[in-house]
Amino acid sequence: AQSVAQPEDQVNVAEGNPLTVKCTYSVSGNPYLFWYVQYPNRGLQFLLKYITGDNLVKGSYGFEAEFNKSQTSFHLKKPSALVSDSALYFCAVRDGGYNKLIFGAGTRLAVHP
Amino acid sequence: GAGVSQSPSNKVTEKGKDVELRCDPISGHTALYWYRQSLGQGLEFLIYFQGNSAPDKSGLPSDRFSAERTGGSVSTLTIQRTQQEDSAVYLCASSIRDRVSEAFFGQGTRLTVV
Repeated sequence: AQSVAQPEDQVNVAEGNPLTVKCTYSVSGNPYLFWYVQYPNRGLQFLLKYITGDNLVKGSYGFEAEFNKSQTSFHLKKPSALVSDSALYFCAVRDGGYNKLIFGAGTRLAVHP
Repeated sequence: GAGVSQSPSNKVTEKGKDVELRCDPISGHTALYWYRQSLGQGLEFLIYFQGNSAPDKSGLPSDRFSAERTGGSVSTLTIQRTQQEDSAVYLCASSIRDRVSEAFFGQGTRLTVV
């Protein structure tokens, strides 16, 4: 079965520093991987996805993610964190057809001034 | 509407009572999804609608859970005889095509069973 793991419950970063939110996956076949963000009192928002092609995927709000097949990882990154990036981040993998995503448990990112 | 609307935003109910959660998708979106967000467990797929039919309801955790969609628009998720473990945030999403990765999510209904 497809699954993703987010090993960190929380990540703390100082504003202006680079950030990484980790995600590893376990899939049969080619992985279709996604990152979503959930801001307080707002719905879940799509950030970026990897389907095929370049291993470095660029997304919304300056975020990017690196697909690493040998390490089965899809870590989310940003060169310079903002306080407004503080939110809950979810990694996900497509399971079966297009209608179902399997989400990780989420990682809370806290960016301190 | 401008986005996916869910109501109520919060619901507190007594154990054993039935609850109905409503989702108004974005106008014109034929696909609709329900997910459950439990603390520390991420989002769990419940059911997917294409139009009024549900080709995939494999995620409904028990027969106490049911969902329907009428007129290809509004969907209602019903939980009968609620239990404390049903406490969670229930998220609805809709998309133009049957691709959940392109879906817009609502803010959710926080259900607390006491």
